Amino acid sequence: KNEVEQSPQNLTAQEGEFITINCSYSVGISALHWLQQHPGGGIVSLFMLSSGKKKHGRLIATINIQEKHSSLHITASHPRDSAVYICAVGGSNYKLTFGKGTLLTVNP
Amino acid sequence: GAVVSQHPSRVICKSGTSVKIECRSLDFQATTMFWYRQFPKQSLMLMATSNEGSKATYEQGVEKDKFLINHASLTLSTLTVTSAHPEDSSFYICSATHRQTLNYGYTFGSGTRLTVV
Repeated sequence: KNEVEQSPQNLTAQEGEFITINCSYSVGISALHWLQQHPGGGIVSLFMLSSGKKKHGRLIATINIQEKHSSLHITASHPRDSAVYICAVGGSNYKLTFGKGTLLTVNP
Repeated sequence: GAVVSQHPSRVICKSGTSVKIECRSLDFQATTMFWYRQFPKQSLMLMATSNEGSKATYEQGVEKDKFLINHASLTLSTLTVTSAHPEDSSFYICSATHRQTLNYGYTFGSGTRLTVV
């Protein structure tokens, strides 16, 4: 069993829809990261959070430490949001453990 | 914001040759650099961790003599794939940490797609 589980694996949405991607983890963490990987491969760090909620533009990330669960929300989705979204958890040794990613496709 | 420049973005090499991949932190000091490999439709897999001025720590199953990592300065780390073989074809990406009080941000390079023919 992976230490970091993401759902869904694939998600197709219409432009404008509200999107939620979930992440559950089974290990103790110092922080949880949401990453975005575009088709070319480059990775952008979207959020790093250890409690509560963070918002950046149309993106919102929440984490519940007690339940070991995090969600990434995208409001008013756009085709340019199409990418793989990866949840990763970091421990005290700085190493990240990655989920398998969620492939999001937003159709116009 | 923090930027890590990774080069080359794509490289094709002949079997048996060596390939060097560079990651440079442009506006911060990368105290620790992580090197990952990613096969199609799979998660990133950590290959090794390097701290500036120290020898890299390799993950189990990663050959340290095949994947040479150098982190001689706080702004530059290199990964050299020696005697490359077709099974080494993959996407390689680095990630650097920069300390911000008690929080550690990670900045990723843009990745290198290696094809060994």
